[in-house]
Order: sequence, then structure tokens, then C-alpha cells
Amino acid sequence: QVQLVQSGSEVKKPGASVKVSCTASGYTFTSHPVSWVRQAPGEGLEWMGWINTNTGNPTYAQGFTGRFVFSVDTSVSTAFLQISSLKAEDTAMYYCTRDYYFSGFYYMDYWGHGTLVTVSS
Amino acid sequence: DIQMTQSPSSLSAFVGDSVTITCRASQSVTKYLNWYQQKPGKAPKVLIYVASSLQSGVPSRFTASGSGTDFTLTISSLQPEDSATYYCQQSFTTPWTFGQGTKVEIK
Repeated sequence: QVQLVQSGSEVKKPGASVKVSCTASGYTFTSHPVSWVRQAPGEGLEWMGWINTNTGNPTYAQGFTGRFVFSVDTSVSTAFLQISSLKAEDTAMYYCTRDYYFSGFYYMDYWGHGTLVTVSS
Repeated sequence: DIQMTQSPSSLSAFVGDSVTITCRASQSVTKYLNWYQQKPGKAPKVLIYVASSLQSGVPSRFTASGSGTDFTLTISSLQPEDSATYYCQQSFTTPWTFGQGTKVEIK
């Protein structure tokens, strides 16, 4: 069965960096893009962007350029989200999703369990 | 960016009731509208894709319709396990955007 397993919670100080992993199983990793979705505490869902797992080409939503980097390692079917120069407002749950192509469009059909990143001095 | 607006922001209903959530897009998204359910402390899961198609394994009491800018999600015969927050999301064009969510509570 399809699974996306994310790395564990992180607590970081402002200015530090964090790298979140998302390891896929149960399907061909390079056949589907991976999106990243942020959810701040008590807030809604925000699409950060996605990465073509075949080419490694990322696309970032506005507001997630510069300090945010998506990457993949196809040898271990894993997508990564790296955030640098962390700020308190980066405190959130970060989800990876598998994006399924259907009839001309995509939807997020499987989600990781989420990785909580806490930024605090 | 396409703005997605849900109403109401929250609702409360009895077990067995039928409830409807509305999602409006700031411009047409044709049929490229999805619905997700998120229970407290859990990741979201997809209920409906391409406006009205039920994701495998989702109970048939969840139905949805709409096209263009106006969409609805209906839960008929509300069950205790339906207590959750529901989000609409457009995948017509990037950046994909979500509604702000509708919290459904059971009386």
C-alpha cells in the first residue's frame, strides 16, 4: 500500500536550518510529483509548492522562495524540504503529499503524517 | 492567485442530519476542485476529486457537486466520526489554494 513516512519533530533556534524527509513506498516514486503543505498552529492548509520527482525540478509558491528548497533522492524514494534561516513564524506542521494525475489535473491523494517544526529561542 | 472561500466557517448538527458546505472560487476553476477532511491531530485525507468523484473507500454519504466558481459538499446522515474540518482546494492552476476550512461539530 502507498505510504509516505516523514521524519520526526524538530525543535530549532531562530537562524538555524532544518531538513524534513518524506520517504515513499508502495508505488513508483518517480511517477508522481510530491507537494509540500504547511499548516501553522490552529490555522488552515497552505500549498508551498511541488517537485517533479522524475526531473527534480521544483516549483515554489509565492512566499516560499529563497529560504525553502525542495529536493529528491530517487535512489531511496525520498523527497526533502529544507528551510534555512528559520524564523518563529516557520513554526508549523509540514506535510508531504503524493500528487495523482487524473483527467488533466492533479489532486493530493496520499499524505504523510506530518512533521512538526518548532522554532524557538 | 485564486482565492477560495468556504461557508460557513463552522457548523453544529445532530447525528443523522444532512449538512452542506459551500466553496466559492474567485475565478472559474472549471471542475478542478477537491475536498479534504482533517480530523484533529491527523493529516488531511481526500474525500472528493474533480468536483464530484468519490475517492475510493470514502462513505457514500459524502457527495459533492458544482463547476466554475460554486461548489458544495454534502454529508447526508451525519455520523459521529464526521466531526472534522473540511477544506476545498483548487488544482486548476498553481499555486493551488485551499479554502479556510469548515469545522463540523456533532451536537
